[in-house]
Amino acid sequence: AQSVAQPEDQVNVAEGNPLTVKCTYSVSGNPYLFWYVQYPNRGLQFLLKYITGDNLVKGSYGFEAEFNKSQTSFHLKKPSALVSDSALYFCAVRDKGDDKIIFGKGTRLHILP
Amino acid sequence: NAGVTQTPKFQVLKTGQSMTLQCAQDMNHNSMYWYRQDPGMGLRLIYYSASEGTTDKGEVPNGYNVSRLNKREFSLRLESAAPSQTSVYFCASSEFSDVGGYTFGSGTRLTVV
Repeated sequence: AQSVAQPEDQVNVAEGNPLTVKCTYSVSGNPYLFWYVQYPNRGLQFLLKYITGDNLVKGSYGFEAEFNKSQTSFHLKKPSALVSDSALYFCAVRDKGDDKIIFGKGTRLHILP
Repeated sequence: NAGVTQTPKFQVLKTGQSMTLQCAQDMNHNSMYWYRQDPGMGLRLIYYSASEGTTDKGEVPNGYNVSRLNKREFSLRLESAAPSQTSVYFCASSEFSDVGGYTFGSGTRLTVV
C-alpha cells in the first residue's frame, strides 16, 4: 500500500531565507508525486508534480521539489521565502496504474517577517 | 469559471440526522473523490468514483454512502450523522490519463452536535 510521511508538523522560516518542507513516500511501483497548498478556509491548490524525467521539478509561486529515488523523498523547496507563502502544505503520492492519490498529514509553514 | 462546486459550504446537524453533500464538476473529468480533513490527520479518502456508474471505498467509508449521479455529479450522504463525522469535506475530480493531479472544491464544513 502506498503512504506518505511529512515528518514536521510545522516549519518556521524567516522571510528571505530558503525553505524546505520534507516528504518521504512508499509505493510498490513507480510513483507520481505531488505537492498541494491550502490557504485558510480554502480548498487545496496544485503546486507541482513529478511524473518522470528530470528529478528537479518546478512549480507555481517559485516552488520546486527534488525527487530522490534512493531516499524515497520529494522535498519541497524555495530559495527565498515570502510571508505570503505561509500556509498548509500537503505532499501526495499516486502509484502508477492506480487512480487514487494518498495525502500526507500536512506541514504548516510559517514565514516570519 | 471551470472547477469543482460543493454545496453547502457550512452545515450543522444534530446527531442522527441525515444529509447529502453535493459536488459537481464541469471539466469533463472521469474520476471524482470525497475526502475528509481533520486536524493532524491530513486528508483521508472516503469514497471515489473512477467513472460514471462505479464507486469504490477509500480509507474511511463507514457511515457514508455515495452516488455518482452522472459524469458531472458525485454526492456524499450521511444517513445518521455522528459527532465523529464533524469535519471539513472536500470533493475533487481528475482525469486519470492526464496524471494532472486533482482539482478541489472549496469544502463543506460540517458540525454534528
